Amino acid sequence: GNSVTQMEGPVTLSEEAFLTINCTYTATGYPSLFWYVQYPGEGLQLLLKATKADDKGSNKGFEATYRKETTSFHLEKGSVQVSDSAVYFCALSDEGAGSYQLTFGKGTKLSVIP
Amino acid sequence: KAGVTQTPRYLIKTRGQQVTLSCSPISGHRSVSWYQQTPGQGLQFLFEYFSETQRNKGNFPGRFSGRQFSNSRSEMNVSTLELGDSALYLCASSLVPDRGNYGYTFGSGTRLTVV
Repeated sequence: GNSVTQMEGPVTLSEEAFLTINCTYTATGYPSLFWYVQYPGEGLQLLLKATKADDKGSNKGFEATYRKETTSFHLEKGSVQVSDSAVYFCALSDEGAGSYQLTFGKGTKLSVIP
Repeated sequence: KAGVTQTPRYLIKTRGQQVTLSCSPISGHRSVSWYQQTPGQGLQFLFEYFSETQRNKGNFPGRFSGRQFSNSRSEMNVSTLELGDSALYLCASSLVPDRGNYGYTFGSGTRLTVV
């Protein structure tokens, strides 16, 4: 079956530090890959996505590249801000049993301190 | 435009009771999915609906059921509640069932507490 593994948190960084959150996946088909962000008390917001190998998704300074050869989709940001503090989820979508359900990683909590 | 609306936002129920949660998708979206989020299990897929038909169901007992109406609004029902059903229930909508080209928009969720 499908699965997503992302680095355990929590991750604590100082403002303007470089961020990397690792994500690897296992899929039976050819999935699309996503990063979602969840702020306290809220639902999930799509941060970025990539639908095919070598695609780079980017948004709000965050980037991730779909690497089929290493089955990875690592999230990066060059300079984090306090407002980036949230939980980040890596996910994949692959047609299984007739639907495009999302399979999520466990989430990585990021705290950015001033 | 209005986002995905889930009602109620918070709910407290007693073991053995049943509960119904509601999700109104973005206008024009015809696909609705439900997910359960708990600290232990993380985010798990419950159901996907499209044009009033359940396309798939996750690995949950029969106490969990759902439906979609002709206006694309969806409800999920949990009968005979157990303490372990305490969770954040999230609804997501999309134009059509989609592997990623359109993307899914999530609501803010319903926080269910079973006591």
